[in-house]
Amino acid sequence: AQSVTQLDSQVPVFEEAPVELRCNYSSSVSVYLFWYVQYPNQGLQLLLKYLSGSTLVKGINGFEAEFNKSQTSFHLRKPSVHISDTAEYFCAVINTGGFKTIFGAGTRLFVKA
Amino acid sequence: EAGVTQFPSHSVIEKGQTVTLRCDPISGHDNLYWYRRVMGKEIKFLLHFVKESKQDESGMPNNRFLAERTGGTYSTLKVQPAELEDSGVYFCASSQAQIRTDTQYFGPGTRLTVL
Repeated sequence: AQSVTQLDSQVPVFEEAPVELRCNYSSSVSVYLFWYVQYPNQGLQLLLKYLSGSTLVKGINGFEAEFNKSQTSFHLRKPSVHISDTAEYFCAVINTGGFKTIFGAGTRLFVKA
Repeated sequence: EAGVTQFPSHSVIEKGQTVTLRCDPISGHDNLYWYRRVMGKEIKFLLHFVKESKQDESGMPNNRFLAERTGGTYSTLKVQPAELEDSGVYFCASSQAQIRTDTQYFGPGTRLTVL
């Protein structure tokens, strides 16, 4: 069985500061990894995904994530955040043998002026 | 192109009543998923349709939940009778290809409150 742990439930940060949202996963099989963002009153939107190849994945809105197989992590980073990045972020996995997406509990990012 | 839509956006019902949630996927998307998020916890998979067939319903909590997708277009999720622990946000998502890495497009969710 797979599980996803997002280590921070809330992350406050000042505008233009860097941010890292942490995600660890557990799985006995290979997985694909995803980050989603949910803005208020909207559905989840895919930020980026890791399928194979380069462990550094670039996504939309200036976000990137690095897959670390030895540490089973997939942390999300942005070098300089904006007020508009305030949202909830979800890390997720799908095992390579199925369609079921397993989500973490989410991290609320608050960007302050 | 219209995105995934869900109706209603909010529903407040009493324990024991019945509620039906509806999801309209993006036109042409054969894959439709239902998820549920309870009180700030993780989003949990409920089931997956490919066209009108249930591909995986392993996440359905119990037999009070019934999902249908007649004709392979919109889907409904009925809860009967509703219990307090059914409260949460129900998300629907759709994707075009039957590839597990294909992007899923999510609706805004239906917030269900059972009193």
